[in-house]
Amino acid sequence: GNSVTQMEGPVTLSEEAFLTINCTYTATGYPSLFWYVQYPGEGLQLLLKATKADDKGSNKGFEATYRKETTSFHLEKGSVQVSDSAVYFCALSARGPMNSGYSTLTFGKGTMLLVSP
Amino acid sequence: DTEVTQTPKHLVMGMTNKKSLKCEQHMGHRAMYWYKQKAKKPPELMFVYSYEKLSINESVPSRFSPECPNSSLLNLHLHALQPEDSALYLCASSQEGREQGEAFFGQGTRLTVV
Repeated sequence: GNSVTQMEGPVTLSEEAFLTINCTYTATGYPSLFWYVQYPGEGLQLLLKATKADDKGSNKGFEATYRKETTSFHLEKGSVQVSDSAVYFCALSARGPMNSGYSTLTFGKGTMLLVSP
Repeated sequence: DTEVTQTPKHLVMGMTNKKSLKCEQHMGHRAMYWYKQKAKKPPELMFVYSYEKLSINESVPSRFSPECPNSSLLNLHLHALQPEDSALYLCASSQEGREQGEAFFGQGTRLTVV
């Protein structure tokens, strides 16, 4: 079955520090990969995505590259801000049966990021 | 419009009450999902509707009853819930062939069962 493993948190950083959150996956076929972010008391927001090997997703200074050879999709940001404090979920999307019209997301356990001034 | 709208945002209900959660999207997505999220955990899939038909029920207790009245609306009817059902309930939608399986999530309904 599909699975996603991401580093345990919390990750505690000072403002302007470099961020890496590791994510590796196991999947059959060729899944799409996502990073979602959840701010306190809110739903999930898509942060970035990559749909095939070597694709780089980027948004708001965050980046992640789909590495098929290492089955990884690590999240990075060069300089974090206090406002980046949130829980980050790595996820993969697998299509349902042919013509089913849906796909299913498999999430990692989430990594809480705490950024202090 | 890339929004998934959920109502209400907060709900407190007794164990004998009947209530409903509502979800709406106008992106033309034909797949809609209900997830349950407990504190400090990832979302857990409950139900999937595709083309207004129930495609997946992840062995959810019958006190949760989903309904998809049309392609834009998804409801979750709640009856005789237990305190352990207190959680954040998230609705999502997606469209195969576009956005490569990307799911758009609503802000959730925070449910407390007393």
